[in-house]
Amino acid sequence: GAVVSQHPSWVICKSGTSVKIECRSLDFQATTMFWYRQFPKQSLMLMATSNEGSKATYEQGVEKDKFLINHASLTLSTLTVTSAHPEDSSFYICSARRALETQYFGPGTRLLVL
Amino acid sequence: TQLLEQSPQFLSIQEGENLTVYCNSSSVFSSLQWYRQEPGEGPVLLVTVVTGGEVKKLKRLTFQFGDARKDSSLHITAAQPGDTGLYLCAGRTAGNKLTFGGGTRVLVKP
Repeated sequence: GAVVSQHPSWVICKSGTSVKIECRSLDFQATTMFWYRQFPKQSLMLMATSNEGSKATYEQGVEKDKFLINHASLTLSTLTVTSAHPEDSSFYICSARRALETQYFGPGTRLLVL
Repeated sequence: TQLLEQSPQFLSIQEGENLTVYCNSSSVFSSLQWYRQEPGEGPVLLVTVVTGGEVKKLKRLTFQFGDARKDSSLHITAAQPGDTGLYLCAGRTAGNKLTFGGGTRVLVKP
């Protein structure tokens, strides 16, 4: 199947700093990428949908100014957690999809904010 | 309240036993997918079901999509420790978004 990578795989940062997570589709062009958050022992919750070249669409309750999403190319989307706080600590997973086809998930990025 | 309800939330069985995980909703889905996720990793797609009443088999795993396309089940025969993981169902909703169920954590003890 298609490969989606994320970088970094884990990150520890101090409260108040910003963290950028990259999501790349390695062998296909993704017209749409999705960002999910998963807390321990819970399911994946969709945060936002990003389409290449346009603004991301955020789910209800997700602060767009706090979670900045950029989908500058068909193979790269970035999620920046701005002014991170301990409650932002979570497992962030991206997913990439070609038009109307299967979504492929990345391996996830574990964020710990101290 | 989640759009997709999975049951049970947790299942612990001995190797060789069978298990069934259920995924239910009041909504109709154009397709439904099952994933398995291991700790610290992203979910891996197991199967996609599209047609009401469809049954798909993947080795010891049997997936069924309800006639009304509102529910699905995953049955594992003769479970093995390698089947341990978090099983997630996900339905595609209007706007082509994938919505996940709460997940079922399966532990198969040797």
